[in-house]
Amino acid sequence: DAGVTQSPTHLIKTRGQQVTLRCSPKSGHDTVSWYQQALGQGPQFIFQYYEEEERQRGNFPDRFSGHQFPNYSSELNVNALLLGDSALYLCASSLPGTTGELFFGEGSRLTVL
Amino acid sequence: GQNIDQPTEMTATEGAIVQINCTYQTSGFNGLFWYQQHAGEAPTFLSYNVLDGLEEKGRFSSFLSRSKGYSYLLLKELQMKDSASYLCAHPSNQAGTALIFGKGTTLSVSS
Repeated sequence: DAGVTQSPTHLIKTRGQQVTLRCSPKSGHDTVSWYQQALGQGPQFIFQYYEEEERQRGNFPDRFSGHQFPNYSSELNVNALLLGDSALYLCASSLPGTTGELFFGEGSRLTVL
Repeated sequence: GQNIDQPTEMTATEGAIVQINCTYQTSGFNGLFWYQQHAGEAPTFLSYNVLDGLEEKGRFSSFLSRSKGYSYLLLKELQMKDSASYLCAHPSNQAGTALIFGKGTTLSVSS
């Protein structure tokens, strides 16, 4: 049973570019959340997708957008990249209707130059 | 994690006991989570307290007082592999199941 998988694992972009990160949830999980983790900080909630719709959103600008597909996989898109967007982007999936236990992927390390 | 407070760093020796505290502003959400994150790895679930009191799970225990907005994680018989960041988190008060994390406590265990 594969856990949460994310791609790419590492990537480097320059300011102003756009990036797309991908996530496949753990088998049987229908809810996908995205988090941004800067160095030395805890994960910050970006948004959550359920039934192909954004259900919750954290305090992130509209440059951050996402999508969930019918197979529950998800994408995170960031436009007009800023240096401050450099971080580890974590995807987490959870079981339907549960509060809490999140299963995280290994993350995508984004560096913006 | 603006309303979650936990110490930035702690150190301890192998075999010892360490308590990592977490305080938060109570605002109607249920439960408190602890996650462990080794350097360069994904966070992994440790515990979830929804009621007041102590939950024991092997060498790790977690305590919650909802009225005081206070939790702690207790690690016994420390091992070198326990060196990691420990993240306190609570559910957001919106509909859905998102978690709000603290900044984490980096625990260093030495021999």
